[in-house]
Amino acid sequence: DIQMTQSPSSLSASVGDRVTITCRASQGISNYLAWFQQKPGKAPKSLIYAASSLQSGVPSHFSGSGSGTAFTLTISSLQPEDFATYYCQQYHSYPHSFGPGTKVDIK
Amino acid sequence: EVQLVESGGGLVQPGGSLRLSCAVSGFTLSDRYMDWVRQAPGKGLEWVGRTRNKADSYTTEYAASVKGRFTISRDDSKNSLFLQMNGLKSEDTAMYYCARVINCGGRSCPDSWGQGTLVTVSS
Repeated sequence: DIQMTQSPSSLSASVGDRVTITCRASQGISNYLAWFQQKPGKAPKSLIYAASSLQSGVPSHFSGSGSGTAFTLTISSLQPEDFATYYCQQYHSYPHSFGPGTKVDIK
Repeated sequence: EVQLVESGGGLVQPGGSLRLSCAVSGFTLSDRYMDWVRQAPGKGLEWVGRTRNKADSYTTEYAASVKGRFTISRDDSKNSLFLQMNGLKSEDTAMYYCARVINCGGRSCPDSWGQGTLVTVSS
């Protein structure tokens, strides 16, 4: 099975900051990597697929990059509504494992 | 508008069974793969399993932690997805989400999620 790791596990940032979250796969997954945002008590929201493609309706201050085993999610200018936990997921092979999450909170 | 609404969660004793439902609208279920994902209280997301669409013979995949105990099924005519859970354990306590799956650059990933239904396994 493919193991997913994320770093950092949490971070504190201010509105307007640039934030980068890293996701790593234990083996190559090409670009079959998705990112999700989850706010407390809410369902996950799909942000990015194929490592860098934004899902419909996702603001352009979110971006993703990477291929193989190393990926990043970047929030170019953190907005108040972006404070949440972010998860990566590989969908290269079953089981479709998630990373442990990165919590972004207010500094 | 795509909507997914889970139901059927509740309190069940260890070893018991429960059947979750996911009612969908705003898209044609028979065209779609569908996932179940769960989240234990205070923990991260865990992929549970997938059902492929009619064109791919409704085949299924499961996480090792639930294989042999959980079964995903669907009734496309009723726009409904199901998760039959047998032999429940305390570690199955979680919020269970259904998710629509779409083509994500050659392979498939979730794009829309329900609000979840809570399953608690306890005596």
